[in-house]
Amino acid sequence: GQQVMQIPQYQHVQEGEDFTTYCNSSTTLSNIQWYKQRPGGHPVFLIQLVKSGEVKKQKRLTFQFGEAKKNSSLHITATQTTDVGTYFCAARDQTGANNLFFGTGTRLTVIP
Amino acid sequence: DVKVTQSSRYLVKRTGEKVFLECVQDMDHENMFWYRQDPGLGLRLIYFSYDVKMKEKGDIPEGYSVSREKKERFSLILESASTNQTSMYLCASSPFRGAGQEYFGPGTRLTVT
Repeated sequence: GQQVMQIPQYQHVQEGEDFTTYCNSSTTLSNIQWYKQRPGGHPVFLIQLVKSGEVKKQKRLTFQFGEAKKNSSLHITATQTTDVGTYFCAARDQTGANNLFFGTGTRLTVIP
Repeated sequence: DVKVTQSSRYLVKRTGEKVFLECVQDMDHENMFWYRQDPGLGLRLIYFSYDVKMKEKGDIPEGYSVSREKKERFSLILESASTNQTSMYLCASSPFRGAGQEYFGPGTRLTVT
């Protein structure tokens, strides 16, 4: 089935540094979603990107969808300890599948 | 606010036992999903359902079955639990077929000894 590759698997940053996680697919995607899972918690929806080249911002978080709709990134500016957690991308392919395909996640640690 | 609840946060079962994990959502969502989450492997879809009594296999259905007798309730069944089914199990729901975000329950950490 559909596969979404996500890198890096882990990232340790000093508080105040920036952080980026990337998702890549070999096939064109219908849309891509991003989720955050705090330690001990469950995934919580952050955002959905639908259009080619789309860029959306949520405070210090910037989400991008590639022009070819095959890749996406999440960038956090000036990380804070509240950003700690695992970030997942999740994609739906162009068949209109009912289910999302989740990336393996990037676990972010922020060192105070 | 959408609420997805799971019957247990922690569960310990013995090898060979039949295990039922229950999930209930309160927002009349069409779709419900069962995932397992393991370190380094992300979320893997076991089964999903887009309507009452309907079910579709996900990526790793072997060793599991599901039941959806009512719209709000989706059960995951381990017919004969094995140690390799020790994992975190997450239930999710979404409102529309082929669209929309997924809302997750708190998860059930199952240990099979």
